[in-house]
Amino acid sequence: QSALTQPASVSGSPGQSITISCTGTSSDVGGYNYVSWYQQHPGKAPKLMIYDVSKRPSGVSNRFSGSKSGNTASLTISGLQAEDEADYYCSSYTSSSTLFGGGTKLTVL
Amino acid sequence: QITLKESGPTLVKPTQTLTLTCTFSGFSLSTSGVGVGWIRQPPGKALEWLALIYWNDDKRYSPSLKSRLTITKDTSKNQVVLTMTNMDPVDTATYYCAHRGWFGEFDYWGQGTLVTVSS
Repeated sequence: QSALTQPASVSGSPGQSITISCTGTSSDVGGYNYVSWYQQHPGKAPKLMIYDVSKRPSGVSNRFSGSKSGNTASLTISGLQAEDEADYYCSSYTSSSTLFGGGTKLTVL
Repeated sequence: QITLKESGPTLVKPTQTLTLTCTFSGFSLSTSGVGVGWIRQPPGKALEWLALIYWNDDKRYSPSLKSRLTITKDTSKNQVVLTMTNMDPVDTATYYCAHRGWFGEFDYWGQGTLVTVSS
């Protein structure tokens, strides 16, 4: 099983919106609604931002939203803020394991 | 409040076996649906899922590392142990344990422990 495919980097200016894609296969992203997204700041543990494709844990800003179409999931961050600059990872449940994406570095210009 | 903390050696030699312990609080691994997983991250690289154990002792492993990994739980001690055999310098990474939520997500993470493999 290969890692899920994410763009290496994305960038945006404060106040703008950005979208990070996460492409898998019908055996993972496309086959289950168990896609989650994590934010990781340098030197810190990952933080869950989205689960079950589009649900937000308590305390996560509603500027973060998730969606899925076919084998590709997406994380959208609206109203970009400086504090959003971090690495973002997608993850998908499969019948036998869990996959992570290669990570996307978000730069807030 | 759910917390997890990893413990184990910070330095291991090539070919040695690594044993990491995840000590948690705020939930019980005897409760239906609960799981604890291990994830690692080499310096500057992406997250990699390693293993997962469920409340019913069902175990899942990364296909690429399955032959080297063993995950066990001690419900009475609120601990999950991961062993990885035949360590190599490429296994140098921060190792995290995490609580698995109902939808396959890892909703609570430990702080991570950096393990360096070097002679």
